[in-house]
Amino acid sequence: QKEVEQNSGPLSVPEGAIASLNCTYSDRGSQSFFWYRQYSGKSPELIMSIYSNGDKEDGRFTAQLNKASQYVSLLIRDSQPSDSATYLCAAGSYQLTFGKGTKLSVIP
Amino acid sequence: GAVVSQHPSRVICKSGTSVKIECRSLDFQATTMFWYRQFPKQSLMLMATSNEGSKATYEQGVEKDKFLINHASLTLSTLTVTSAHPEDSSFYICSARRDGAYNEQFFGPGTRLTVL
Repeated sequence: QKEVEQNSGPLSVPEGAIASLNCTYSDRGSQSFFWYRQYSGKSPELIMSIYSNGDKEDGRFTAQLNKASQYVSLLIRDSQPSDSATYLCAAGSYQLTFGKGTKLSVIP
Repeated sequence: GAVVSQHPSRVICKSGTSVKIECRSLDFQATTMFWYRQFPKQSLMLMATSNEGSKATYEQGVEKDKFLINHASLTLSTLTVTSAHPEDSSFYICSARRDGAYNEQFFGPGTRLTVL
């Protein structure tokens, strides 16, 4: 059974702080890793993808991948209230396995 | 780029009727599309994998005769909920896997189905 584990939260951070979201995955054959953001009542939106070990930065977002530890993380710098959402981690190859999501609340 | 549309966005129907939901990749080809269902405050649940030109693969517990999937082209997949009942009321979301090496999936905006 392929699994992706995330802390369900809620994770509360003050505006302007760094939010750190973590995820572990069970399938060592996974080649692709993604972070999606889902606002309440909306569908998920792809915000970051990462395929090799190390860091990948895109604006205020940094994804980190450690395949040896089967660990993926997402850092959000200068968190804004508009970042408040549920963040889904996904891992896999042809088919993705999604975590249940971490709810992030950014407090003004 | 990487836009997926879904139609209709919202539908209300009477129990026993069938509802068809369309999922289109607007600016890329998608040999594979996926159908998910999400109940309030719950996580995404994969229902089936749809492959262009072949039969869909259903997840355990999903009735293939109730949820008919057709993937007739590289940009269109449809999900038909047959003889819908109130317990089928949910948020149905499709995703399209962009053909290529990176396995990216892009989600449609979802269809909220309410069965009375």
